[in-house]
Amino acid sequence: DQQVKQNSPSLSVQEGRISILNCDYTNSMFDYFLWYKKYPAEGPTFLISISSIKDKNEDGRFTVFLNKSAKHLSLHIVPSQPGDSAVYFCAALQGAQKLVFGQGTRLTINP
Amino acid sequence: GAGVSQSPRYKVAKRGQDVALRCDPISGHVSLFWYQQALGQGPEFLTYFQNEAQLDKSGLPSDRFFAERPEGSVSTLKIQRTQQEDSAVYLCASSARGRYEAFFGQGTRLTVV
Repeated sequence: DQQVKQNSPSLSVQEGRISILNCDYTNSMFDYFLWYKKYPAEGPTFLISISSIKDKNEDGRFTVFLNKSAKHLSLHIVPSQPGDSAVYFCAALQGAQKLVFGQGTRLTINP
Repeated sequence: GAGVSQSPRYKVAKRGQDVALRCDPISGHVSLFWYQQALGQGPEFLTYFQNEAQLDKSGLPSDRFFAERPEGSVSTLKIQRTQQEDSAVYLCASSARGRYEAFFGQGTRLTVV
């Protein structure tokens, strides 16, 4: 059973527009969430995180929103740039340190 | 070093062969993790160390998998008698004390033929 789900395997967005990546989770005990970005042949790179005591966290072009009642979070990238093309993983912290990842969404930014 | 370093980057093993994958975490990071990533999937947790203590090995798929971090820095993931289903990318990550953000290495792609 997948505790963290990214239901869109891929997303295509025009350069300069907003990219919205979604993530759902089932375990209400999760209280910290992270987004990672992955380029081919590289390891995941940490992007942004959010604690369950917040509903929004912003860092430059990246904003993460958390809706605890819906067990849903989203990553907004605005404006989208060609270098943002990558696979994005949502992850939830289980226990003190273990990360539970979603399947990933491949984002393609079109010029 | 500046980042998490893993070696080798690629490993081809014949079925039944033993392999050893190495991870050099970021200097000073007390927590070290191993994850397995199958094609088209997200990373899945294997095991976690805090310094030299292995605090969680619940994700190791079988007793053929063994990890160690004897001096609290470099770690080795060993897979004995490799099987085709072991083919995956093995990712190592480390994090600083009190921090949840884990920093990943580039991974070792293991192919068992």
